[in-house]
Formats: sequence, structure tokens, C-alpha cells
Amino acid sequence: SQQGEEDPQALSIQEGENATMNCSYKTSINNLQWYRQNSGRGLVHLILIRSNEREKHSGRLRVTLDTSKKSSSLLITASRAADTASYFCVTSASGTYKYIFGTGTRLKVLA
Amino acid sequence: AAGVIQSPRHLIKEKRETATLKCYPIPRHDTVYWYQQGPGQDPQFLISFYEKMQSDKGSIPDRFSAQQFSDYHSELNMSSLELGDSALYFCASIPTSRLAGGKHTGELFFGEGSRLTVL
Repeated sequence: SQQGEEDPQALSIQEGENATMNCSYKTSINNLQWYRQNSGRGLVHLILIRSNEREKHSGRLRVTLDTSKKSSSLLITASRAADTASYFCVTSASGTYKYIFGTGTRLKVLA
Repeated sequence: AAGVIQSPRHLIKEKRETATLKCYPIPRHDTVYWYQQGPGQDPQFLISFYEKMQSDKGSIPDRFSAQQFSDYHSELNMSSLELGDSALYFCASIPTSRLAGGKHTGELFFGEGSRLTVL
């Protein structure tokens, strides 16, 4: 079974708009990472946020983490057609080196 | 910088045949993970190894086996292949704190994947 659940599972927006994807998980975590996957290809690491961090930025990406609600969000600002991909959160459960994928969000950015 | 290397990148097999996928982690990474991603599906955790010992097991079929060798590379062996085994198989690696001097970032490093097609 999956540790993390993401919503929405599919998101279609216009270029220039912001995209927000959410991830919820069930256990205490060491960290949470977001990955991007272009249509059936490899996984690209986007950003990692530790359990003691609340917000992190990287370029057009902003990640928040709420450990009390066991949830995270990934915000992509000023989206581009090239951002079209599937996005996954991956959690590392506390005290382990086990990494579990959440349900991906399929983002489509329309030009 | 060296990345996680997976081979072969593409593999076509017939039903009931056997396939072996290989994963070469980043140097000084001693922990390896295997994931299976079916068409249009999310990656599912199969199995992981730490210091050549199985550390965690996920939804890996009994027809599959895996091991990690002394040089830390790992092999996933799949027997009696079924059509449903057609998927992208990812390997990932991390260094544990021991190898990272307690400064491991926690980032999981993925290979490009091996695409298995079962006909």
C-alpha cells in the first residue's frame, strides 16, 4: 500500500498559472521529496524538505510541510508547457531508510 | 558526477521466460531500492538492500528474487514472466549515514529505469 496520497490526481492548467499539488502521508517521516517524471521516463529530483522544516523554495518551486496534518504541498509558479509531467511525493519513514511513493499527480500545462 | 546505472535499458521477453535486471549504485552508496512502475501507474516499492542484506520488502512477487553483491550492485531476477510484469523497473540508491559521515542528505537517487516488455 502507498504511504502517501496526492491530490489532485490530474490537473490541467493554462501556461502562466500556478499549479498546486498536495500529498498526505500516514506515518512520521524523516523527510519528504518531490519528483517529476516525464511520460514514462526517469524520475527527476525536484526538492527535499526535512521533517523539521516548514517551507522550502527552489526557483519556481515552493514546498510546504505540515507534520501535524501529515501533509505537504508543491506549488509551481508561472507554469510552462515544459512542466507537463507526473509529480510524485516520496516519504522516508522515521527511523527507517524506507522510501514510499505517493499517488502521482498528472499535470498538464496548456500553451 | 556518477549516477545510478541500470542495465539493460530495454528488454523484451516471452511469457514464462526469465529476466535479470542490474543496478549499479552511485559509488559509496550502500543501500539499493527496486521499484516497479506499470503503464500509467505509480511506482511500487519491491525490495531494498542495505549492506548486502535485504532490509525491506514490498509488493515483490514470489517469482522475483533479488540480491546485493559485495561491490553493492544489485540484480533483480524475474522468472516465469507474465504479461503483467511488463513495466518500468527503477533502481535507486542512497548512502547511509555511516558512509556519508552522518551527513546524508536523504535524497534518493534514481537510475533511468529498465523497461521490460513481456510478449
